[in-house]
Amino acid sequence: KQEVTQIPAALSVPEGENLVLNCSFTDSAIYNLQWFRQDPGKGLTSLLLIQSSQREQTSGRLNASLDKSSGRSTLYIAASQPGDSATYLCAGDGGATNKLIFGTGTLLAVQP
Amino acid sequence: EPEVTQTPSHQVTQMGQEVILRCVPISNHLYFYWYRQILGQKVEFLVSFYNNEISEKSEIFDDQFSVERPDGSNFTLKIRSTKLEDSAMYFCASSDFSDTQYFGPGTRLTVL
Repeated sequence: KQEVTQIPAALSVPEGENLVLNCSFTDSAIYNLQWFRQDPGKGLTSLLLIQSSQREQTSGRLNASLDKSSGRSTLYIAASQPGDSATYLCAGDGGATNKLIFGTGTLLAVQP
Repeated sequence: EPEVTQTPSHQVTQMGQEVILRCVPISNHLYFYWYRQILGQKVEFLVSFYNNEISEKSEIFDDQFSVERPDGSNFTLKIRSTKLEDSAMYFCASSDFSDTQYFGPGTRLTVL
C-alpha cells in the first residue's frame, strides 16, 4: 500500500531564503507526482505535475524533481516571499486509475 | 482560466439526513474525482469517474455514497444517511489526458 510522507512537517524561514520541501513514497511504482498548495480553509492549487517519463518540472520560482529509484520528490522554492506561506502537499498516483495518494503536508511560514 | 466550482461552500446537516454536494468540473475534462479531508488529516481519495461510470472507489466509499453526472456539466456526490464522522471538507477534481488534477474550493460538511 502506497504511503506518502513529507518532511519537515513545518518550516519557518525569513523572506528571500531558498528552501527545499521533501516528499517520500514507499512504493516506487508511482506514475505521476503532483505538488499542490493549500491555503487555510481553501482548496488545493496545483503547482507542478511530474509525469512518469519526466524527472523535473519548473514553474517560475518553483522546481520539482522526482527520483523513482529512491522514492523521493523535492520541491525547491527560490527567493521565498511571505505570499508563499501555505501548506504544501505532494501526491502520487499509480497510473492505472489516477487516484492520488496524498502526503501529510509541510506547513511553510515565510517571515517578512 | 477555467476552474472547478463547488456548491454549497458550507453545508450543515443533521445526522441521518441525506446531502448532495455539487461540482461543475472544467468543461472539456473527462475524468472526475471526489476526495475528502477530515480536519487535521490527510486528503483522502473517495472515488473516480470516467465515461459515466465509477473507475475506482476507496474503502471509505461504501453503500451510503453515490456519484452521478446528471447532465453534461454537473457531477454530484450523495451521502444517503450522514454520520458524525462524515464531517469533512469534500473536494471535487477533474482532469483531462494531461493527468493534472484540478481541484475545486471544497464543500465543508458539518454533521450535527
